[in-house]
Amino acid sequence: QSVLTQPPSASGTPGQRVTISCSGSRSNIGSNTVNWYQQLPGTAPKLLIYSNDQRPSGVPDRFSGSKSGTSASLAISGLQSEDEADYYCAAWDDTLNGVVFGGGTKLTVL
Amino acid sequence: QVQLQESGPGLVKPSETLSLTCTVSGGSITSSYYNWDWIRQPPGKGLEWIGSFYYSGSTYYNPSLKSRVTISADTSKNQFSLMLSSVTAADTAVFYCARHWLWLPYDAFDIWGQGIMVTVSS
Repeated sequence: QSVLTQPPSASGTPGQRVTISCSGSRSNIGSNTVNWYQQLPGTAPKLLIYSNDQRPSGVPDRFSGSKSGTSASLAISGLQSEDEADYYCAAWDDTLNGVVFGGGTKLTVL
Repeated sequence: QVQLQESGPGLVKPSETLSLTCTVSGGSITSSYYNWDWIRQPPGKGLEWIGSFYYSGSTYYNPSLKSRVTISADTSKNQFSLMLSSVTAADTAVFYCARHWLWLPYDAFDIWGQGIMVTVSS
């Protein structure tokens, strides 16, 4: 049981826009920023979004993040086949004094 | 360009201590801007944060693993290490080391190693 809650799966067709939600509590998302990681099959996770809505250099602007209260969302527009991956949200938790992850969402491009 | 590389045994016996090392190249683990962390991922499952080390010696550990975990560093070799004691089959996982930018309320794992698979089995 993960501290942050994500849907286990999501899907879309090429060109569509999909969103992935991440729900937490006051001690994590409510107090600290949210990051999103993309894990392509058989590879290490990669930082996709940091500080709620910031993209590292090299991440396409098709990826965007937002946060409101104790929830966050990742949106992917213009879906492409190479976006098929697992996506994880994460945040620091002030009560646990450490990083907590969501359970991950497997995105399928139909 | 900073790179991280995990190393260590791929097979550990139950009840023994798992020991892994992360070698950092292209940057220093004594940088004041970063912590250095371990994260694991059991086969087919999600990510679990293990703990964090800052070069001054301060550490943070996942409460669920705290009694079994030690993270330390050898600054002369620019390496940091993970020790996980009394392992069981439930500790079988891919272990990642990562650079952790930690300035609350902001933080992020911005660079990851490729990961190393560790199996606990007799």
